[in-house]
Amino acid sequence: AQTVTQSQPEMSVQEAETVTLSCTYDTSESNYYLFWYKQPPSRQMILVIRQEAYKQQNATENRFSVNFQKAAKSFSLKISDSQLGDTAMYFCAFMKLGGGADGLTFGKGTHLIIQP
Amino acid sequence: DTAVSQTPKYLVTQMGNDKSIKCEQNLGHDTMYWYKQDSKKFLKIMFSYNNKELIINETVPNRFSPKSPDKAHLNLHINSLELGDSAVYFCASSQDRTGEQFFGPGTRLTVL
Repeated sequence: AQTVTQSQPEMSVQEAETVTLSCTYDTSESNYYLFWYKQPPSRQMILVIRQEAYKQQNATENRFSVNFQKAAKSFSLKISDSQLGDTAMYFCAFMKLGGGADGLTFGKGTHLIIQP
Repeated sequence: DTAVSQTPKYLVTQMGNDKSIKCEQNLGHDTMYWYKQDSKKFLKIMFSYNNKELIINETVPNRFSPKSPDKAHLNLHINSLELGDSAVYFCASSQDRTGEQFFGPGTRLTVL
């Protein structure tokens, strides 16, 4: 079984700053997917970014990028030029390749607060 | 157009009652899921369904039963509700077993 650990229960930064959210995972699988999901106060789960473990290049989506270190089993999320609308819970999640039936394994989340 | 919808969004009920939460996806996905988010915001998979077959069943009480009348629907039935069942329940779907999961808006269940 795999586990996902998010060591920062809460973070707070000023608007326009850059913030990095940490995520580590443990698995014996060699092929898998990693995700960051955002959950604003509306509670809707929104996919922020996705990384395939077999790809060495780090995924980016506009202001969001990841630092994927496969050997270290680390998958951090960097948010550049943070905005008030980025305030939300952020969840790191794991899914093994071909293991969609197992669903996503989530970390406990980081509550990110963007201060004006 | 809502991709994954759930009804109701809020459900308040008494202990011991039986209730259902409906989920529908219009994405043509072949796998659907139910997740439970507890009061500490922790999300955990409960069930997944693919081609009308229950793929997994985690350590969920047998009071919970998913029912899929067709590929686009996966309903969650809960019998003899307990206080500890209070949580937010999310339905999700994915195109295949490796793809992104699209989540519904969640149903907040409160058992009194």
